[in-house]
Amino acid sequence: DQQVKQNSPSLSVQEGRISILNCDYTNSMFDYFLWYKKYPAEGPTFLISISSIKDKNEDGRFTVFLNKSAKHLSLHIVPSQPGDSAVYFCAASASSGGSYIPTFGRGTSLIVHP
Amino acid sequence: EPEVTQTPSHQVTQMGQEVILRCVPISNHLYFYWYRQILGQKVEFLVSFYNNEISEKSEIFDDQFSVERPDGSNFTLKIRSTKLEDSAMYFCASSEALAQTGDGELFFGEGSRLTVL
Repeated sequence: DQQVKQNSPSLSVQEGRISILNCDYTNSMFDYFLWYKKYPAEGPTFLISISSIKDKNEDGRFTVFLNKSAKHLSLHIVPSQPGDSAVYFCAASASSGGSYIPTFGRGTSLIVHP
Repeated sequence: EPEVTQTPSHQVTQMGQEVILRCVPISNHLYFYWYRQILGQKVEFLVSFYNNEISEKSEIFDDQFSVERPDGSNFTLKIRSTKLEDSAMYFCASSEALAQTGDGELFFGEGSRLTVL
């Protein structure tokens, strides 16, 4: 039962270009969405989040877009840098009717080439 | 910067043996979690802990699993009788508040890799 889906296991991007990581969810109770980044041999680290009352949240080079009707969110990184190479996890949680606990996707491995 | 620490970083055990994975959450955090990631698969929620009791657990967290906060700093995950399919990276996490609040993001440890032979 994959409530949070990241259908692209990997993405390769040239340095300086935009990276777009996609995430779909099935549970309509989800109302808070997060992106985590994970380097090898490290735990996931929080990157950016968005509440369902918004459709965009921006933090420096990172922007998350939320399309509630499509149950889709995306993370844009621009410009991409080699240090952005990592696995990116999308996560979602619900404030009512269930769990506050973030449910994670499988992750997308981003490789940014110099 | 405060961080979540986990020990051991890697444990190899025989099937049927008991394993205890240890975590020291960030000191002012109130919510504690265990997740696991089987190789190539998603990060799966196991259990959350708040106010010295389990607040939520997944279907993975069966009677073979238990958690404890024995001394107010350590947060442990015990697997009573390990199975081959328990082989995974186990992540401990803590948060100051619930996910929907501004301080609700989870801080993860580096993980403990468990290999069951």
